Amino acid sequence: KQEVTQIPAALSVPEGENLVLNCSFTDSAIYNLQWFRQDPGKGLTSLLLIQSSQREQTSGRLNASLDKSSGRSTLYIAASQPGDSATYLCAVTIGGGADGLTFGKGTHLIIQP
Amino acid sequence: NAGVTQTPKFRILKIGQSMTLQCTQDMNHNYMYWYRQDPGMGLKLIYYSVGAGITDKGEVPNGYNVSRSTTEDFPLRLELAAPSQTSVYFCASSLSYRGPNYGYTFGSGTRLTVV
Repeated sequence: KQEVTQIPAALSVPEGENLVLNCSFTDSAIYNLQWFRQDPGKGLTSLLLIQSSQREQTSGRLNASLDKSSGRSTLYIAASQPGDSATYLCAVTIGGGADGLTFGKGTHLIIQP
Repeated sequence: NAGVTQTPKFRILKIGQSMTLQCTQDMNHNYMYWYRQDPGMGLKLIYYSVGAGITDKGEVPNGYNVSRSTTEDFPLRLELAAPSQTSVYFCASSLSYRGPNYGYTFGSGTRLTVV
């Protein structure tokens, strides 16, 4: 059974710092990996999608890397801003399946002004 | 374009009551999903559907039922509500589960409390 772990569970940093969120998964036979953002009382917003054949994806100040063989992904946030405060969720899709995503528990991020 | 719409946003049920959580998408997506999220936890898949008339169980299907009579609608039925079903429920849809059209759209959730 695929398990996804996110470290740290919570993180609080001053504005302007660069930070890294970590995600690990137990079964390397993934089709892709996604990072989502969840704001309180809201749904999930997709941030970055990395196909299993890719090593990284970038969107603005966000960069996500994937090391499929070691079962790890990182989300790098550059020059953090208070508006980045949210819960960040990592999720994987098992190769070839239409049966949804397996999620980690998330990292609750607070950026202090 | 409304995306994925879930109703109601909040609901309190008494133990043993039943209810249906509604989910509608207007993007003509084939794939639809129901997840639940307990406090401090990630989302867990309850049921999914790959098209009208086709549904299958996810990781935590017990106590729930679904149907998919149209492409747009994917209601989730709770029979005999129990306190363990207190959670936030998210519906999601995707045009495809792989390839260039892959990508999830999530609804804003239904917060359900069973007392």
